[in-house]
Amino acid sequence: GAVVSQHPSWVICKSGTSVKIECRSLDFQATTMFWYRQFPKQSLMLMATSNEGSKATYEQGVEKDKFLINHASLTLSTLTVTSAHPEDSSFYICSAGGLFQETQYFGPGTRLLVL
Amino acid sequence: GDSVTQMEGPVTLSEEAFLTINCTYTATGYPSLFWYVQYPGEGLQLLLKATKADDKGSNKGFEATYRKETTSFHLEKGSVQVSDSAVYFCALILAGETSGSRLTFGEGTQLTVNP
Repeated sequence: GAVVSQHPSWVICKSGTSVKIECRSLDFQATTMFWYRQFPKQSLMLMATSNEGSKATYEQGVEKDKFLINHASLTLSTLTVTSAHPEDSSFYICSAGGLFQETQYFGPGTRLLVL
Repeated sequence: GDSVTQMEGPVTLSEEAFLTINCTYTATGYPSLFWYVQYPGEGLQLLLKATKADDKGSNKGFEATYRKETTSFHLEKGSVQVSDSAVYFCALILAGETSGSRLTFGEGTQLTVNP
């Protein structure tokens, strides 16, 4: 199957700083990438959908100014958590899909801890 | 709207026991159905899929059959191993949609297999 990577896998930061998480599709072109947030022992919560070259579509209740998403190429999307606070601590997962993929492929996740 | 309902967990089994995790869905038309597995601290991996009625997806000893009449896609394995301990998610993509469209997930079922 296709491979999606995320970087970093772990990040610890101080409150008020911004953190950027990268999501890359390594062996296919992803026209669409998705960003999820997962709380312990819960399902995935879709935060936003991004299509290459256009603005992301955010789910209701997700602050677009807080979670900046950029999908500048067919293989890279970034999520920036701006002015992070402890309540932003979570497991963030991206997935990538497109016209020629049988399903979405998920990255390994990024665990963010804001102190 | 479309939705996926999974049996509530957690499920605890002894090694070599038979596993069934129930999944039913509500959707217009005939969606594509998926089972994903999430091992501790990792992202989601596609386990198996089925795209039309009566299709059987299988992988690593797991099986699921797309049952149109009961709108179900139950996951089964004849003999579980300790290494199967993980969270299992049932999901769908609406009929006619590509992997560039959003997945609808169930709540996930935690499986623990004891030696």
